[in-house]
Amino acid sequence: GAVVSQHPSWVICKSGTSVKIECRSLDFQATTMFWYRQFPKQSLMLMATSNEGSKATYEQGVEKDKFLINHASLTLSTLTVTSAHPEDSSFYICSALGSSYEQYFGPGTRLTVT
Amino acid sequence: RKEVEQDPGPFNVPEGATVAFNCTYSNSASQSFFWYRQDCRKEPKLLMSVYSSGNEDGRFTAQLNRASQYISLLIRDSKLSDSATYLCVVNYNFNKFYFGSGTKLNVKP
Repeated sequence: GAVVSQHPSWVICKSGTSVKIECRSLDFQATTMFWYRQFPKQSLMLMATSNEGSKATYEQGVEKDKFLINHASLTLSTLTVTSAHPEDSSFYICSALGSSYEQYFGPGTRLTVT
Repeated sequence: RKEVEQDPGPFNVPEGATVAFNCTYSNSASQSFFWYRQDCRKEPKLLMSVYSSGNEDGRFTAQLNRASQYISLLIRDSKLSDSATYLCVVNYNFNKFYFGSGTKLNVKP
């Protein structure tokens, strides 16, 4: 299957700082990527849909000014968590949409805010 | 009512057993269907897409029943390494996806 990478795989930051997470589709071009977060023992929660060359579409309850998404190319989408707080600590996973509407997920980024 | 419903399990089965999961969806206009597996603290990995004609990949068989609005996954000859959470995912309207909450499978020696 297609390969999606995420960087970093884990990050610890101090409260109030910003963290950028990169999601790359390595062997295919993805017009659409998705950003999820997942808390322990819970389901994936969609945060936003990232479309190349246009503004991201955020799910209800997700603050677009706090979670900045940039999908500047067909292989890269970034999520920036601004002014992070401990409650933002979570597992953030991106996915890229394939040609048959299958999603290929990145390995995730574990964010801990102290 | 949830868009996609799955029995959360856990399903505890011995090695070699056959186990089946079902997943129901509410939107009759849903277009594409998938099964993913997710290991603890890892990302979901695509197991297989599900087609109306049914499809098989080794020990795994997936089927779609549009009339009754459910998809199924059958695992034959279960292995210890099959222990994971299995997610069904339904695609509606191109970019809209609904995830089941996952069914946990524990395969015991």
